[in-house]
Amino acid sequence: DVKVTQSSRYLVKRTGEKVFLECVQDMDHENMFWYRQDPGLGLRLIYFSYDVKMKEKGDIPEGYSVSREKKERFSLILESASTNQTSMYLCASSLWGNGNEQFFGPGTRLTVL
Amino acid sequence: QQQVKQSPQSLIVQKGGISIINCAYENTAFDYFPWYQQFPGKGPALLIAIRPDVSEKKEGRFTISFNKSAKQFSLHIMDSQPGDSATYFCAAMGDGGATNKLIFGTGTLLAVQP
Repeated sequence: DVKVTQSSRYLVKRTGEKVFLECVQDMDHENMFWYRQDPGLGLRLIYFSYDVKMKEKGDIPEGYSVSREKKERFSLILESASTNQTSMYLCASSLWGNGNEQFFGPGTRLTVL
Repeated sequence: QQQVKQSPQSLIVQKGGISIINCAYENTAFDYFPWYQQFPGKGPALLIAIRPDVSEKKEGRFTISFNKSAKQFSLHIMDSQPGDSATYFCAAMGDGGATNKLIFGTGTLLAVQP
């Protein structure tokens, strides 16, 4: 069964902390994505990766960075967390190619105090 | 040009009724239009998708209607059930090609009352 897992369901951090969100997929997918979900704003793409060590900015990359050292793992990094980064973070993966289904993880609810 | 506009933001339907959610886009290069369904506490999951070479696609009680000239597409849920209560997102394939990059609408929270 297809699976995307995220390291934490809930996370509480302090302003200024460095935060790591981890995502692992077991489907040998080339593409991986990080979104944030906020009420009324839908899903907004932060970064995506189409291969190991390759990354591209999405629509809202400011304040975030990513790392993909292995095909199955894609990490989102908040270098210095701020309160406006309090959100639900969703990871997804898909096969390379136009129109392939994106499979989502369950999400991490991050609260920055 | 890269936006997908979705309406309504929320919708209440009686059991057995028809739920209709609408989306509009600007970029004529979009060529793949999926709908995702998200239950509370879960990530979104693909529900149904359409390419612009057809005007309608049906899977069970779920139908996508696509109007290429108007740059609009909609999701119809026939005989809506309480189990359909979820958030629905329309999306469009952006200019990322094989990177499969999607642009999502803002979501519609559907509540089906028993």
